[in-house]
Amino acid sequence: SQQGEEDPQALSIQEGENATMNCSYKTSINNLQWYRQNSGRGLVHLILIRSNEREKHSGRLRVTLDTSKKSSSLLITASRAADTASYFCATDPQETSGSRLTFGEGTQLTVNP
Amino acid sequence: NAGVMQNPRHLVRRRGQEARLRCSPMKGHSHVYWYRQLPEEGLKFMVYLQKENIIDESGMPKERFSAEFPKEGPSILRIQQVVRGDSAAYFCASSPGTGMYEQYFGPGTRLTVT
Repeated sequence: SQQGEEDPQALSIQEGENATMNCSYKTSINNLQWYRQNSGRGLVHLILIRSNEREKHSGRLRVTLDTSKKSSSLLITASRAADTASYFCATDPQETSGSRLTFGEGTQLTVNP
Repeated sequence: NAGVMQNPRHLVRRRGQEARLRCSPMKGHSHVYWYRQLPEEGLKFMVYLQKENIIDESGMPKERFSAEFPKEGPSILRIQQVVRGDSAAYFCASSPGTGMYEQYFGPGTRLTVT
């Protein structure tokens, strides 16, 4: 199966709640990146976490990386309706060293007002 | 500092025609990547180019697809003799280097083959 698989496929929460999305991958990586895509639009880069980092914060976003389990999570705290979008994790595999990102299928997050 | 520019944003072609998609990277970025996104799916890598060189085209279909990034001007993704299965969103990304750099994405070109 594919490198970079998000879980769950879809998530629906109420405004103000926290949203957690998970990503698993198969090969060794240089870094892992999270992106957001609003319906019919391009991708917005959220955060990059390097293979030697375990946790990173950016505003209401918190990303963790566990290289022993080959997994990452994205936490959005105090969600807003504007956070409604698809979220993708993308890995930069060591074997290709920056020549490509491998994306998962995404988690569709819906935040209800 | 303008972001990654792609044009056209929407392109409609009949089966058998050619499609040309253009991408201008962010200023100062010399690395360009093309990805394809089918409906309801994630992005799939197609090709990675630096100025005048194709570095990795392992994601490109063997026939009808080609890409270039000339010394001057935008990167071009060319699809010859388009078929309905080519209908997708094509995204370009750029970065200043490889390895530990974010890739910045353009808004995409949505290709529809009728």
